[in-house]
Amino acid sequence: NAGVTQTPKFRILKIGQSMTLQCAQDMNHNYMYWYRQDPGMGLKLIYYSVGAGITDKGEVPNGYNVSRSTTEDFPLRLELAAPSQTSVYFCASSYSLGNTGELFFGEGSRLTVL
Amino acid sequence: AQSVTQLDSQVPVFEEAPVELRCNYSSSVSVYLFWYVQYPNQGLQLLLKYLSGSTLVKGINGFEAEFNKSQTSFHLRKPSVHISDTAEYFCAVSLYNFNKFYFGSGTKLNVKP
Repeated sequence: NAGVTQTPKFRILKIGQSMTLQCAQDMNHNYMYWYRQDPGMGLKLIYYSVGAGITDKGEVPNGYNVSRSTTEDFPLRLELAAPSQTSVYFCASSYSLGNTGELFFGEGSRLTVL
Repeated sequence: AQSVTQLDSQVPVFEEAPVELRCNYSSSVSVYLFWYVQYPNQGLQLLLKYLSGSTLVKGINGFEAEFNKSQTSFHLRKPSVHISDTAEYFCAVSLYNFNKFYFGSGTKLNVKP
């Protein structure tokens, strides 16, 4: 059982470039989330989704876009990368029905924008 | 709005000593409370949670936490730590529908031999 899989694990971007961070889960979870983690700042919610076709902004959505065409996949798109987007990005998922509140995290994607 | 405060960014402790990691939250509505642990270069994993019932909750690896509604706190404790407990610990709150989780800034626990 793979759980939550994120790709790539590491990426270096130049300012102004675009890229997509991939996230897939095989647990049939309806809820999926994207967080960014900056040193000493904890995790900040970028976007979340409560099911296929439904997405909503979190605390820090500017500069990012998401889509949720299937239950399994929740890609995060960075348009016009900026140094402020240098961070570690985590995708997470959780149950909806019978939800006990546990988030399942991927291993993270470390992005550097130069 | 909800917020979570972890006052201690780093906690050094000797092996087999007790430890307490502090967490305070602010919310105008009822929330659920969680502690997550992050080992180096890994994602976060659930340590324990409080949803309802007994205010003292026990989690994995011998950790426990106590929910104190009047002080809006959810401090994490372990009576005797091991080297393997060295990690970063995050306190988090969630609203009743689990749509959003709000995380504290984290506390790095460094267990020394």
